[in-house]
Formats: sequence, structure tokens, C-alpha cells
Amino acid sequence: DAKTTQPTSMDCAEGRAANLPCNHSTISGNEYVYWYRQIHSQGPQYIIHGLKNNETNEMASLIITEDRKSSTLILPHATLRDTAVYYCIVRVADKLIFGTGTRLQV
Amino acid sequence: NAGVMQNPRHLVRRRGQEARLRCSPMKGHSHVYWYRQLPEEGLKFMVYLQKENIIDESGMPKERFSAEFPKEGPSILRIQQVVRGDSAAYFCASSPYQETQYFGPGTRLLVL
Repeated sequence: DAKTTQPTSMDCAEGRAANLPCNHSTISGNEYVYWYRQIHSQGPQYIIHGLKNNETNEMASLIITEDRKSSTLILPHATLRDTAVYYCIVRVADKLIFGTGTRLQV
Repeated sequence: NAGVMQNPRHLVRRRGQEARLRCSPMKGHSHVYWYRQLPEEGLKFMVYLQKENIIDESGMPKERFSAEFPKEGPSILRIQQVVRGDSAAYFCASSPYQETQYFGPGTRLLVL
């Protein structure tokens, strides 16, 4: 069973920041939070991951709360190509446990 | 660098036939994972392999499904005596040890 909870869908205007929330209240101290996205039915695309600290790369930023029970993925300037299903995942050992994700419509 | 490669991209089988799905990991990756995605659902973990070893097969159905990752060549997911419920997208991912998994484009299996 998924260890994360995400809203089913969200809309974002093109050019604006998209903030995608995720709850993972049962996360253990050594479990990472990963974000992937799936455009149409393509293979999931890795976006970013983190353990405790906030992370940023060329695609997005990941903000993790101090208690690690939730996080937010930020796409700073959403474009039409960012329309996809976004999965927040807690990595358990070597498995990625996918939930149903958030369908982001830009 | 080439990404994870999967073939065939689409596979049609009649009930009772065998399906073989192949996955070539990214260069330098020795860990392979298989996931299945049923229509309108998220991906579900099936099996995790290293070269010549099955590390975790907790997500594999107990019957008809098997996986291997030989010393040479791609990883193979084999489904014997396919049924309509096996129709799904099967994704392979690869990684170096305990690092980020990168996914292939998937194989869409349709069982008639």
C-alpha cells in the first residue's frame, strides 16, 4: 500500500509556479521521498528526491517539512509540457511504492 | 548515454500463449526492477533483480510469472499461459546500487 497521500488533480496557469503537496505521515527516518511524473502512458520520469533537507535541481524544488510528514514539489514556471501525473513516493528498501498521484493540468 | 530500453513496445497475445518482455538497463547499472501498471492505476512493484540473482520478488504473482537477469544479455519477464487480466503496461527500471531508478518506455501487453 502507498505510504503517501496526494490530491487527485490540480490546475495551474502556464508560467505560474505549480505547488504539489504530499503527505507521508508514516515515513521512517531513513526512507527517502521521491517524485516522478508520467506523461500520457510513457515511462515514469525521475524529477527529484530528498531525505531531510530541501533540494533543488534544474527541473524542480522539493520542500520537506521539519517533521518529514509532508513535502511539496515546486515547478517554478509551469509549461504545457508539464501536464502529467505526478507521483510522490516513499522508497521502502529498494521498492518504489506508487500511489495514484496528482494529475496536473497546465 | 542510452536510457533503459524495453522491447517489444507493444505485444499482442492470445489467451494461453507465452509473453516474453525484455529490458536492457542503462550502461553501468546492475540492478533491474519490474513494475506493472493496470489501466487507470499507479505502478505496482513486481520484482527486483541483480545479475543472476533475484533479490525481492514479493510483488510477483505466485504462478505463471518469472523473471531473470542473466550474466549476459537483457532481463526477461516471462508470463506463461497469459490471461486477459495480464493486459497491462510493464515497466522496467534500472539503477546503480541503492540509487535512483530510471524507467524505460514500457511494454504494452494486450491479451485477446
